[in-house]
Amino acid sequence: DVVMTQSPLSLPVTLGQPASISCRSSQSLVHSDRNTYLTWFQQRPGQSPRRLIYKISNRDSGVPDRFSGSGSGTDFTLKISRVEAEDVGVYYCMQATHWPYTFGQGTKVEIK
Amino acid sequence: EVQLVESGGGLVQPGGSLRLSCAASGFTFSGSWMTWVRQAPGKGLEWVGYIKPDGSEKSYVDSVKGRFTISRDNARDSLFLEMNSLRAEDSAVYYCAKLDWNSLNYWGQGTLVTVSS
Repeated sequence: DVVMTQSPLSLPVTLGQPASISCRSSQSLVHSDRNTYLTWFQQRPGQSPRRLIYKISNRDSGVPDRFSGSGSGTDFTLKISRVEAEDVGVYYCMQATHWPYTFGQGTKVEIK
Repeated sequence: EVQLVESGGGLVQPGGSLRLSCAASGFTFSGSWMTWVRQAPGKGLEWVGYIKPDGSEKSYVDSVKGRFTISRDNARDSLFLEMNSLRAEDSAVYYCAKLDWNSLNYWGQGTLVTVSS
């Protein structure tokens, strides 16, 4: 199975400051159809996960533009340009290139 | 508005069975790949499996293979998860989610399954 490794696992951030989460996969996530199926989710406390970004860098509608995704192959990053209070929660990356699809362990973002 | 509403969770003894349901609305269910994902209390997310729109293809993670069965009723816009031989490690919130472009764009609120004697 593809192992998704996120870092850091805990990320204390000052309001208004940037934040960055890394996600590395144990093998390339480039699919035979040439797409890279790497997704980022946000899970606020007590809520279901919400998709933020799909195929590395495509932001979902309604997702603030302070969220951005980048990367390729096995190395991916989620960036929050200026953290707001509503961004507190756990962020997961997920690969859907190789079955079984797998999630990262999650990165907990909290306000300092 | 897309809605996914799970039901059927509860307390079950080890070795027991449970059937979860997910009622879908707001999109063309019969044309959608659907999935089940679970989350043990205080833990991360884990795929359970998926089912093709017409039900002809299903796939499961190894930890539930042979014990869990995903099915659907497109006439009733409903997704199901039949769980047998339940173990303590199956205790989790179970989410149904819509699979789109190899990603999960909509999730239900989840239903809690607790396996304990």
